[in-house]
Amino acid sequence: GEDVEQSLFLSVREGDSSVINCTYTDSSSTYLYWYKQEPGAGLQLLTYIFSNMDMKQDQRLTVLLNKKDKHLSLRIADTQTGDSAIYFCAEKGTGGFKTIFGAGTRLFVKA
Amino acid sequence: SAVISQKPSRDICQRGTSLTIQCQVDSQVTMMFWYRQQPGQSLTLIATANQGSEATYESGFVIDKFPISRPNLTFSTLTVSNMSPEDSSIYLCSVAPQRGGSYEQYFGPGTRLTVT
Repeated sequence: GEDVEQSLFLSVREGDSSVINCTYTDSSSTYLYWYKQEPGAGLQLLTYIFSNMDMKQDQRLTVLLNKKDKHLSLRIADTQTGDSAIYFCAEKGTGGFKTIFGAGTRLFVKA
Repeated sequence: SAVISQKPSRDICQRGTSLTIQCQVDSQVTMMFWYRQQPGQSLTLIATANQGSEATYESGFVIDKFPISRPNLTFSTLTVSNMSPEDSSIYLCSVAPQRGGSYEQYFGPGTRLTVT
């Protein structure tokens, strides 16, 4: 079945760039999402990318998609302590409305 | 975007009781979803609730345990019935507005349930 995998932890220094990686198995994935979850809060949609794109930039966030390798990454430039959170990768296939989530990557930002 | 509120935000319940969680959206949406996030885990879809039809449950979830109502296009409830400690989780309501062909999906703040 469909699966989305992420590394569980990432630690960076404040001001550095963070790169969170994700792989997925569903070749029919049409939409790929990045969500942010801060402690005690719900999920905030950060950005998403269509499968016919290979890059999307939104301020400090850059999403890269390698459809051949089914690999998605989220780069956060100039990482701040406020970026400390869990980041979830998710995918949705064509014609379906079920979104499959990865386990989440916990980002620690050291001052 | 869509603004979603949930009530209650958290609750502590005794085993064997039931809790109904409410989800309110600030705009009309066709598709609403209920997810469970167990401690330290990712999100698992419980069911999809479309207005005017029965909810569609994912494997491992049944209507008797998680009855859902969807009386209109801005509101839904999820009941967690006959609770046990294994039901302790965050329950999240989600919507996919699909305006203008967009497939964005938004989440409520969640209801943190602890069953003792």
